[in-house]
Amino acid sequence: AQSVTQLDSQVPVFEEAPVELRCNYSSSVSVYLFWYVQYPNQGLQLLLKYLSGSTLVKGINGFEAEFNKSQTSFHLRKPSVHISDTAEYFCAVRERGGYTASKLTFGTGTRLQVTL
Amino acid sequence: EAGVTQSPTHLIKTRGQQATLRCSPISGHTSVYWYQQALGLGLQFLLWYDEGEERNRGNFPPRFSGRQFPNYSSELNVNALELEDSALYLCASSSGKGQSNQPQHFGDGTRLSIL
Repeated sequence: AQSVTQLDSQVPVFEEAPVELRCNYSSSVSVYLFWYVQYPNQGLQLLLKYLSGSTLVKGINGFEAEFNKSQTSFHLRKPSVHISDTAEYFCAVRERGGYTASKLTFGTGTRLQVTL
Repeated sequence: EAGVTQSPTHLIKTRGQQATLRCSPISGHTSVYWYQQALGLGLQFLLWYDEGEERNRGNFPPRFSGRQFPNYSSELNVNALELEDSALYLCASSSGKGQSNQPQHFGDGTRLSIL
């Protein structure tokens, strides 16, 4: 079984400031890692994913994340946020493997609030 | 290319009734997943269908059921509705027969409200 912890339920930040949203996971097997964003009254949009290879992953909208296996973390970063980045961000893991491994396990989400 | 589409957008029911939610996956995707996003409970995996078969099920009672049609669209049925079933129900699809390295793409959800 896997679990995902997003320690910060809310992160307030000023526009053009950098931001880091933290994600830690627990799993007895190897996993794939994902970040999704949810804007108000919408579904989830994939920001980026880590499958293998370079531990620094770049995604859409200027976001990037770094996979740290020893610390079981996958923190999301953006060097300069915009008002339009205000949304809920979800970290998710998925067990590597075949048919039975296909569900996503989500963290509880982090609300990013960008202000002027 | 059209994304995952869900209908209806909103659904209002009363306790004890039955609800049917529909999902059309991205063209070419054979796997469909259902998740429940309830206030205070986060996103919980409900069901996974691939090639018309139920492949995996989350920790939900049997009154949550569904099916996948030959065109890979899917229905989620919730019987004997309870107040706690009020939530946003999200459908996702992926390619590759549910291979775990294939990302899931989500629709905008159906908001189910139980009065």
